[in-house]
Amino acid sequence: DADVTQTPRNRITKTGKRIMLECSQTKGHDRMYWYRQDPGLGLRLIYYSFDVKDINKGEISDGYSVSRQAQAKFSLSLESAIPNQTALYFCATESSSSDTQYFGPGTRLTVL
Amino acid sequence: DAKTTQPTSMDCAEGRAANLPCNHSTISGNEYVYWYRQIHSQGPQYIIHGLKNNETNEMASLIITEDRKSSTLILPHATLRDTAVYYCIVRVASGGSYIPTFGRGTSLIVHP
Repeated sequence: DADVTQTPRNRITKTGKRIMLECSQTKGHDRMYWYRQDPGLGLRLIYYSFDVKDINKGEISDGYSVSRQAQAKFSLSLESAIPNQTALYFCATESSSSDTQYFGPGTRLTVL
Repeated sequence: DAKTTQPTSMDCAEGRAANLPCNHSTISGNEYVYWYRQIHSQGPQYIIHGLKNNETNEMASLIITEDRKSSTLILPHATLRDTAVYYCIVRVASGGSYIPTFGRGTSLIVHP
């Protein structure tokens, strides 16, 4: 969905490096989410935010941090990347009035 | 943990109806059931949702049992482009909020 963009789309990095994944949306939604997906598995929730001043840990938050700089932007950081953080990362937005999620195209991250 | 149970995989002949089941036996009275699908490694796409009445839109139909413990997503005339992983979602209580939780979904293969 072009209304939800993720940058970069692909990234290869080395163990120990700090990396930031960015998500922007033009849908005007108040809620935003970060998920990771490993091969053959479903999506697991990392962090979510229901508005600019709200940050909540998800199922697998260890090793990650987030920043909600504005309603339209939600960034995911890996402070010191490790190989088992190699995965496909998805950002999603959601309106509090509909509970329907809209996903970005994903970021494929490889940690060597 | 996901509150839903879905078969790991299913297949369907092109042009025939695809019926994808989902069990959500612990669903509460005011929780909606949502369906999404993920084609290849793209971001999941919303399909349909319902509370207790059957629903239909341009993509699919959703049949929810009277006791609301299970539902079936119906793709009435499956095409090769419907090959995807289909997720049945209910929201899980977390810190006073209800957040969507994805299981592994059903991998549907539509064959010629």
